[in-house]
Amino acid sequence: GAGVSQSPSNKVTEKGKDVELRCDPISGHTALYWYRQSLGQGLEFLIYFQGNSAPDKSGLPSDRFSAERTGGSVSTLTIQRTQQEDSAVYLCASSLDPILTQLNTEAFFGQGTRLTVV
Amino acid sequence: KQEVTQIPAALSVPEGENLVLNCSFTDSAIYNLQWFRQDPGKGLTSLLLIQSSQREQTSGRLNASLDKSSGRSTLYIAASQPGDSATYLCAVVSGNTPLVFGKGTRLSVIA
Repeated sequence: GAGVSQSPSNKVTEKGKDVELRCDPISGHTALYWYRQSLGQGLEFLIYFQGNSAPDKSGLPSDRFSAERTGGSVSTLTIQRTQQEDSAVYLCASSLDPILTQLNTEAFFGQGTRLTVV
Repeated sequence: KQEVTQIPAALSVPEGENLVLNCSFTDSAIYNLQWFRQDPGKGLTSLLLIQSSQREQTSGRLNASLDKSSGRSTLYIAASQPGDSATYLCAVVSGNTPLVFGKGTRLSVIA
Protein backbone atom coordinates (compact mmCIF):
# COMPACT_ATOMS: atom_id res chain seq x y z
CA GLY A 1 0.00 0.00 0.00
CA ALA A 2 0.91 3.65 -0.19
CA GLY A 3 1.44 4.00 3.52
CA VAL A 4 1.02 2.31 6.87
CA SER A 5 -2.65 1.64 7.49
CA GLN A 6 -4.19 1.13 10.91
CA SER A 7 -7.70 0.07 11.83
CA PRO A 8 -9.93 0.96 13.43
CA SER A 9 -9.08 4.66 13.61
CA ASN A 10 -11.16 4.99 16.77
CA LYS A 11 -12.30 2.37 19.26
CA VAL A 12 -14.42 2.84 22.35
CA THR A 13 -14.68 -0.22 24.56
CA GLU A 14 -15.97 -1.10 27.98
CA LYS A 15 -13.59 -1.88 30.76
CA GLY A 16 -12.85 -5.59 30.89
CA LYS A 17 -13.44 -6.26 27.19
CA ASP A 18 -10.74 -7.45 24.80
CA VAL A 19 -9.71 -5.35 21.79
CA GLU A 20 -7.72 -6.04 18.64
CA LEU A 21 -5.85 -3.35 16.78
CA ARG A 22 -4.63 -3.95 13.26
CA CYS A 23 -1.64 -2.63 11.33
CA ASP A 24 -0.93 -3.03 7.61
CA PRO A 25 2.67 -1.99 6.94
CA ILE A 26 4.04 -0.58 3.73
CA SER A 27 4.39 -3.39 1.22
CA GLY A 28 7.84 -4.95 1.34
CA HIS A 29 8.79 -3.53 4.72
CA THR A 30 10.34 -6.24 6.84
CA ALA A 31 10.24 -4.49 10.21
CA LEU A 32 7.17 -3.34 12.11
CA TYR A 33 6.89 -1.40 15.38
CA TRP A 34 4.14 -0.66 17.87
CA TYR A 35 4.11 2.45 20.08
CA ARG A 36 1.65 3.92 22.54
CA GLN A 37 1.04 7.64 23.01
CA SER A 38 -0.84 8.61 26.13
CA LEU A 39 -2.26 12.08 26.69
CA GLY A 40 0.54 14.48 27.56
CA GLN A 41 3.15 11.74 27.33
CA GLY A 42 5.76 10.87 24.77
CA LEU A 43 5.66 7.82 22.56
CA GLU A 44 6.25 4.62 24.49
CA PHE A 45 7.82 1.66 22.66
CA LEU A 46 5.85 -1.55 22.96
CA ILE A 47 7.23 -4.20 20.60
CA TYR A 48 8.85 -4.65 17.22
CA PHE A 49 8.86 -7.42 14.63
CA GLN A 50 11.55 -8.52 12.25
CA GLY A 51 9.60 -10.63 9.80
CA ASN A 52 7.21 -12.61 11.96
CA SER A 53 9.53 -12.71 14.98
CA ALA A 54 9.50 -10.30 17.89
CA PRO A 55 13.09 -10.04 19.23
CA ASP A 56 12.09 -7.60 21.95
CA LYS A 57 8.81 -7.82 23.86
CA SER A 58 10.08 -5.99 26.92
CA GLY A 59 8.07 -2.86 26.22
CA LEU A 60 4.69 -4.54 26.56
CA PRO A 61 3.15 -3.03 29.73
CA SER A 62 1.63 -6.23 31.10
CA ASP A 63 0.70 -9.77 30.20
CA ARG A 64 -2.67 -8.46 29.04
CA PHE A 65 -0.88 -7.14 25.95
CA SER A 66 0.18 -9.41 23.10
CA ALA A 67 1.05 -8.95 19.46
CA GLU A 68 1.56 -11.14 16.46
CA ARG A 69 2.53 -10.75 12.86
CA THR A 70 1.68 -13.20 10.14
CA GLY A 71 3.09 -13.64 6.66
CA GLY A 72 5.61 -10.90 7.34
CA SER A 73 2.88 -8.36 6.78
CA VAL A 74 -0.21 -7.59 8.89
CA SER A 75 0.20 -7.28 12.65
CA THR A 76 -2.39 -7.28 15.39
CA LEU A 77 -1.99 -5.88 18.88
CA THR A 78 -4.40 -7.48 21.34
CA ILE A 79 -5.28 -6.04 24.74
CA GLN A 80 -7.19 -8.37 27.02
CA ARG A 81 -9.41 -7.25 29.89
CA THR A 82 -8.92 -3.59 29.02
CA GLN A 83 -8.43 -1.06 31.79
CA GLN A 84 -8.98 2.69 31.75
CA GLU A 85 -5.22 3.30 31.84
CA ASP A 86 -5.01 1.53 28.47
CA SER A 87 -6.73 4.54 26.87
CA ALA A 88 -4.22 6.02 24.44
CA VAL A 89 -3.35 6.34 20.77
CA TYR A 90 -1.65 3.20 19.50
CA LEU A 91 0.73 3.89 16.62
CA CYS A 92 2.26 1.43 14.23
CA ALA A 93 5.32 2.03 12.07
CA SER A 94 7.23 0.05 9.49
CA SER A 95 10.64 0.25 7.89
CA LEU A 96 12.21 -1.39 4.88
CA ASP A 97 14.98 -2.86 6.99
CA PRO A 98 15.31 -3.16 10.76
CA ILE A 99 16.22 0.21 12.22
CA LEU A 100 18.71 -1.39 14.57
CA THR A 101 20.80 -2.92 11.78
CA GLN A 102 20.44 -0.52 8.84
CA LEU A 103 21.41 2.93 10.00
CA ASN A 104 19.87 4.93 7.17
CA THR A 105 16.46 3.32 7.43
CA GLU A 106 13.51 5.58 8.10
CA ALA A 107 10.44 4.56 10.03
CA PHE A 108 7.04 5.45 8.58
CA PHE A 109 4.05 5.74 10.86
CA GLY A 110 0.35 5.09 10.44
CA GLN A 111 -2.41 7.43 11.59
CA GLY A 112 -2.93 5.52 14.81
CA THR A 113 -5.85 3.95 16.62
CA ARG A 114 -7.38 6.03 19.38
CA LEU A 115 -8.53 3.64 22.09
CA THR A 116 -10.90 4.83 24.79
CA VAL A 117 -11.79 2.50 27.64
CA VAL A 118 -14.93 3.56 29.51
CA LYS B 1 18.65 3.94 29.65
CA GLN B 2 18.40 6.46 26.83
CA GLU B 3 16.35 9.57 27.59
CA VAL B 4 15.41 12.25 25.08
CA THR B 5 14.46 15.79 26.08
CA GLN B 6 12.99 18.48 23.86
CA ILE B 7 13.04 22.16 24.67
CA PRO B 8 10.93 24.22 24.57
CA ALA B 9 7.74 22.22 25.18
CA ALA B 10 5.76 24.86 23.30
CA LEU B 11 6.66 27.77 21.05
CA SER B 12 4.61 30.49 19.41
CA VAL B 13 6.14 32.68 16.71
CA PRO B 14 4.89 35.15 14.10
CA GLU B 15 4.88 34.06 10.48
CA GLY B 16 8.17 34.55 8.68
CA GLU B 17 10.45 34.04 11.67
CA ASN B 18 13.32 31.59 11.63
CA LEU B 19 13.26 29.24 14.61
CA VAL B 20 15.24 26.48 16.29
CA LEU B 21 13.92 23.44 18.11
CA ASN B 22 16.23 21.59 20.46
CA CYS B 23 16.64 17.92 21.24
CA SER B 24 19.09 16.36 23.69
CA PHE B 25 19.80 12.73 24.53
CA THR B 26 21.63 11.20 27.47
CA ASP B 27 23.50 8.36 25.75
CA SER B 28 25.64 9.64 22.89
CA ALA B 29 26.09 6.12 21.44
CA ILE B 30 23.27 6.53 18.96
CA TYR B 31 22.93 4.94 15.53
CA ASN B 32 20.78 7.67 14.06
CA LEU B 33 18.33 10.44 14.90
CA GLN B 34 15.03 11.16 13.21
CA TRP B 35 12.81 14.25 13.32
CA PHE B 36 9.06 13.83 12.90
CA ARG B 37 6.07 16.10 12.63
CA GLN B 38 2.70 15.25 14.19
CA ASP B 39 -0.47 17.14 13.38
CA PRO B 40 -3.36 17.02 15.90
CA GLY B 41 -5.11 13.67 15.83
CA LYS B 42 -2.76 12.34 13.18
CA GLY B 43 0.18 9.99 12.94
CA LEU B 44 3.82 10.96 12.55
CA THR B 45 5.38 12.23 9.34
CA SER B 46 9.11 11.69 8.91
CA LEU B 47 10.98 14.93 8.21
CA LEU B 48 14.69 14.18 8.36
CA LEU B 49 16.98 11.32 9.35
CA ILE B 50 20.60 11.91 10.38
CA GLN B 51 22.95 8.99 10.63
CA SER B 52 25.42 9.00 13.52
CA SER B 53 28.31 9.76 11.13
CA GLN B 54 26.57 12.82 9.66
CA ARG B 55 26.52 16.38 10.94
CA GLU B 56 23.41 17.70 9.24
CA GLN B 57 20.60 17.05 6.79
CA THR B 58 18.51 19.53 4.83
CA SER B 59 15.08 19.32 3.24
CA GLY B 60 13.58 22.50 1.86
CA ARG B 61 13.22 25.02 4.67
CA LEU B 62 14.27 22.46 7.27
CA ASN B 63 17.80 21.83 8.45
CA ALA B 64 18.67 19.36 11.17
CA SER B 65 22.07 19.21 12.80
CA LEU B 66 23.62 16.57 15.03
CA ASP B 67 26.37 16.91 17.60
CA LYS B 68 26.64 13.35 18.78
CA SER B 69 29.42 13.91 21.29
CA SER B 70 27.43 16.49 23.21
CA GLY B 71 24.15 14.60 22.79
CA ARG B 72 22.33 17.34 20.92
CA SER B 73 20.36 17.94 17.76
CA THR B 74 18.62 21.02 16.48
CA LEU B 75 15.89 21.44 13.90
CA TYR B 76 16.05 24.80 12.14
CA ILE B 77 12.94 26.02 10.32
CA ALA B 78 13.46 28.97 8.01
CA ALA B 79 10.77 31.52 7.15
CA SER B 80 8.08 29.81 9.21
CA GLN B 81 4.54 29.55 7.86
CA PRO B 82 1.18 28.87 9.56
CA GLY B 83 1.21 25.44 7.89
CA ASP B 84 4.29 24.56 9.95
CA SER B 85 2.14 24.55 13.10
CA ALA B 86 2.37 21.07 14.56
CA THR B 87 4.20 19.08 17.22
CA TYR B 88 7.78 18.23 16.31
CA LEU B 89 9.24 15.06 17.74
CA CYS B 90 12.83 13.94 17.96
CA ALA B 91 13.72 10.25 18.24
CA VAL B 92 17.00 8.37 18.52
CA VAL B 93 17.97 4.80 17.78
CA SER B 94 20.40 3.35 20.27
CA GLY B 95 21.00 0.18 22.20
CA ASN B 96 18.24 -2.32 21.54
CA THR B 97 15.28 0.06 21.32
CA PRO B 98 14.27 1.08 17.79
CA LEU B 99 13.20 4.66 18.51
CA VAL B 100 13.26 6.55 21.80
CA PHE B 101 11.16 9.70 21.57
CA GLY B 102 11.15 13.03 23.29
CA LYS B 103 7.83 14.54 24.34
CA GLY B 104 7.92 17.00 21.48
CA THR B 105 7.76 20.74 20.89
CA ARG B 106 4.32 22.15 20.06
CA LEU B 107 4.84 24.91 17.50
CA SER B 108 2.29 27.57 16.62
CA VAL B 109 3.04 29.95 13.76
CA ILE B 110 0.76 32.97 13.88
CA ALA B 111 -0.30 34.64 10.63
